[in-house]
Amino acid sequence: AQTVTQSQPEMSVQEAETVTLSCTYDTSESDYYLFWYKQPPSRQMILVIRQEAYKQQNATENRFSVNFQKAAKSFSLKISDSQLGDAAMYFCALKFSGNTPLVFGKGTRLSVIA
Amino acid sequence: NAGVTQTPKFRILKIGQSMTLQCAQDMNHNYMYWYRQDPGMGLKLIYYSVGAGITDKGEVPNGYNVSRSTTEDFPLRLELAAPSQTSVYFCASSYSRKNTGELFFGEGSRLTVL
Repeated sequence: AQTVTQSQPEMSVQEAETVTLSCTYDTSESDYYLFWYKQPPSRQMILVIRQEAYKQQNATENRFSVNFQKAAKSFSLKISDSQLGDAAMYFCALKFSGNTPLVFGKGTRLSVIA
Repeated sequence: NAGVTQTPKFRILKIGQSMTLQCAQDMNHNYMYWYRQDPGMGLKLIYYSVGAGITDKGEVPNGYNVSRSTTEDFPLRLELAAPSQTSVYFCASSYSRKNTGELFFGEGSRLTVL
């Protein structure tokens, strides 16, 4: 079975500082995709960043970057220069190629302190 | 840009009542999904569809039914509502050709069963 584990239920960060959210996963597949989704208080889920497993280079999107360690099955999200608008639930998710749905972790609630 | 539209946003049901959560997308996505989100539990897949006329069970399908008569619409039917179905429900859709997993979510529907 494929699982996604987020071991930090809650995290906090000072505004303008950097924070790293952890995610580990378990799969025997070699072709898959990993995602971080953000869910602000408005509830609507928004894609933050995506990583293809076959790519060794870590994905980056502005202030958001990942540390993808395929052998360790680890996929952490780093948020630099944290802003108040970054406060949200963050979900790590795993998907295999083909017609398979996403599998989500339980989420990490991030608070940003002014 | 409507994206994924869910109705209603809030609903209170009595035990044993039935209702349908509506979901429509205007992005011509083939893939559509229904998730439920319980506090501290992340998102769990209820049903999904890879195209009109095709549906499949997810992780937690019991107590629900779906249909997909058109590409745009994917309603979720609750028969004989139970308190265990109190949750926030999310509909999502994704591209079919670029099946890399990015999901576009609706704003969610909060259902309470009393």
